[in-house]
Amino acid sequence: QSVLTQPPSASGTPGQRVTISCSGSSSNIGSNTVNWYQQLPGTAPKLLIYSHNQRPSGVPDRFSGSKSGTSASLAISGLQSEDEADYYCAAWDDSLNGWVFGGGTKLTVL
Amino acid sequence: EVQLVQSGAEVKKPGESLKISCKGSGYSFTSYWIGWVRQMPGKGLEWMGIIYPGDSDTRYSPSFQGQVTISADKSISTAYLQWSSLKASDTAMYYCARQSRGIAAAVNYWYFDLWGRGTLVTVSS
Repeated sequence: QSVLTQPPSASGTPGQRVTISCSGSSSNIGSNTVNWYQQLPGTAPKLLIYSHNQRPSGVPDRFSGSKSGTSASLAISGLQSEDEADYYCAAWDDSLNGWVFGGGTKLTVL
Repeated sequence: EVQLVQSGAEVKKPGESLKISCKGSGYSFTSYWIGWVRQMPGKGLEWMGIIYPGDSDTRYSPSFQGQVTISADKSISTAYLQWSSLKASDTAMYYCARQSRGIAAAVNYWYFDLWGRGTLVTVSS
């Protein structure tokens, strides 16, 4: 059971907007920044969003992140077939003194 | 090119020892923490621990403390993850990742911005 809670699956049709939630607590999301990682099938994770809402160079602006209290969200607008992947949220946990990940959300583009 | 290159897939028997590696290049290896992340078959990401190659300061997840050893050789820009006695439950993909730091409003924040391709470890009798 993961410290951060994500829905196991999400889906949408091309062009739609989808959101993925990530719920934590005061010791992780509540007091530290949230990062999101995208893992395409058979590949290593890739940094998608850092510090709640910052995109690394090369990540399309269709991807955005937000945080409120002890929860965070990843939004993907203009959904494309190549967005089909697993998405993970992560944050440092002050109580565990280490990184915690969400269980991952498998995004299906219908 | 900035990259982390991990050692190749391993097939081992229960009880055997193993050391896998992660070599950094294209950046100052001693200036960034390196983390290790486990992904069991069909499962999510689990943080195992991190090491600062500059001084070998190491932190472990409570779940992995005593189960693995993380080390680094800064002279060859390489971090390691090792087991003294493998179990079938250690079968997984293991990723190394560089932990970078940013600052906003005088507050530090961290993230894994560079990942290796992973090392698949299979433990089977």
